[in-house]
Amino acid sequence: KAGVTQTPRYLIKTRGQQVTLSCSPISGHRSVSWYQQTPGQGLQFLFEYFSETQRNKGNFPGRFSGRQFSNSRSEMNVSTLELGDSALYLCASSLVRERATEAFFGQGTRLTVV
Amino acid sequence: GNSVTQMEGPVTLSEEAFLTINCTYTATGYPSLFWYVQYPGEGLQLLLKATKADDKGSNKGFEATYRKETTSFHLEKGSVQVSDSAVYFCALNPQAGTALIFGKGTTLSVSS
Repeated sequence: KAGVTQTPRYLIKTRGQQVTLSCSPISGHRSVSWYQQTPGQGLQFLFEYFSETQRNKGNFPGRFSGRQFSNSRSEMNVSTLELGDSALYLCASSLVRERATEAFFGQGTRLTVV
Repeated sequence: GNSVTQMEGPVTLSEEAFLTINCTYTATGYPSLFWYVQYPGEGLQLLLKATKADDKGSNKGFEATYRKETTSFHLEKGSVQVSDSAVYFCALNPQAGTALIFGKGTTLSVSS
């Protein structure tokens, strides 16, 4: 069974640009969450999608947005990139939207903003 | 608010040593608690979990007990191996849904 697939794996963008990252969850999984991982702040929750609806959002500015499609694939978008947005962005999928459900993580997209 | 505090690393041990990585949490209600592990070059994966007070999660020789009275979920292993070298993250799930609050991570390095 294929795992969580994130594309692209690496990205270099210029300050002020926007970027879209993609996540394909494990087949049959309906919940997708996004996280930002940086050396200083660690892993921080961005948002959670279930059945094409955002269910939870972390404490990030409005420049960070996402969506989920009917096939559960998800994208996140960051507009007006800042140097501080350089990070590893992780996507996780879960079978259902229950509190103790295991989250399966992708390898991440490494975004570098220059 | 909800938060997780875990001991700073790196933790350096010899093979077969005893491991403890401390984790304490702050949360309203009754969160579920997790340990995730990130091996070099791999993605995060669930190591173990506990969903209510006094539950013990265990996997691959690792154990952690959900202690509500001390708001802790310390990770232990009786005899570590070189292959246990990784970054360990304590996390909680405070509410309905799958959003996780992570600690900063503890790097474990085991030498033979």
